[in-house]
Amino acid sequence: DAGITQSPRHKVTETGTPVTLRCHQTENHRYMYWYRQDPGHGLRLIHYSYGVKDTDKGEVSDGYSVSRSKTEDFLLTLESATSSQTSVYFCAIGSLAESSYNEQFFGPGTRLTVL
Amino acid sequence: SQQGEEDPQALSIQEGENATMNCSYKTSINNLQWYRQNSGRGLVHLILIRSNEREKHSGRLRVTLDTSKKSSSLLITASRAADTASYFCATESIQGAQKLVFGQGTRLTINP
Repeated sequence: DAGITQSPRHKVTETGTPVTLRCHQTENHRYMYWYRQDPGHGLRLIHYSYGVKDTDKGEVSDGYSVSRSKTEDFLLTLESATSSQTSVYFCAIGSLAESSYNEQFFGPGTRLTVL
Repeated sequence: SQQGEEDPQALSIQEGENATMNCSYKTSINNLQWYRQNSGRGLVHLILIRSNEREKHSGRLRVTLDTSKKSSSLLITASRAADTASYFCATESIQGAQKLVFGQGTRLTINP
């Protein structure tokens, strides 16, 4: 999985609790992304980062925040989880190296259930 | 909203047959990419075609791009049971560089 790990891999939590998901890369890529995958919606971008402390919103950012204090770590936080945030969350990194084309490499995913 | 729409949503064929999946998109793009996802796993990049290219090959994969129709197709020749997976197209638009927008995917089942 191209040197990308996600933790935890599975989590069950209750509505209203804060949740933080971690993405860690060993590839030293500049770009990192958080997606959610739901049936009938494919993958949707939540937030992305284009460098340390540089982040921007994606298509479905409401209810989520992110932080990137180091190149290798990108954190996704649900400040107060809701049942609608039950999903599978994927982290990805983008190379944008020599080719300048944004081929992305994905982590194994985190399955989050909010009761 | 989804940039890419894929067709069909599900496809079931016999091993050895060819599988064709289609993707349509809405805005001008820098490139279009295809990814595969095995059940319970992350996505894996298969092939990228740039906006100035019309066709690209990689092993048993053939991708075409028609920018005038804003559509692409992925052909998998001589399918194998191991090709069973979901396939997604993703576009990098001119306006939203560095970001990909994914379609909903095609679920491909290869029957032995």
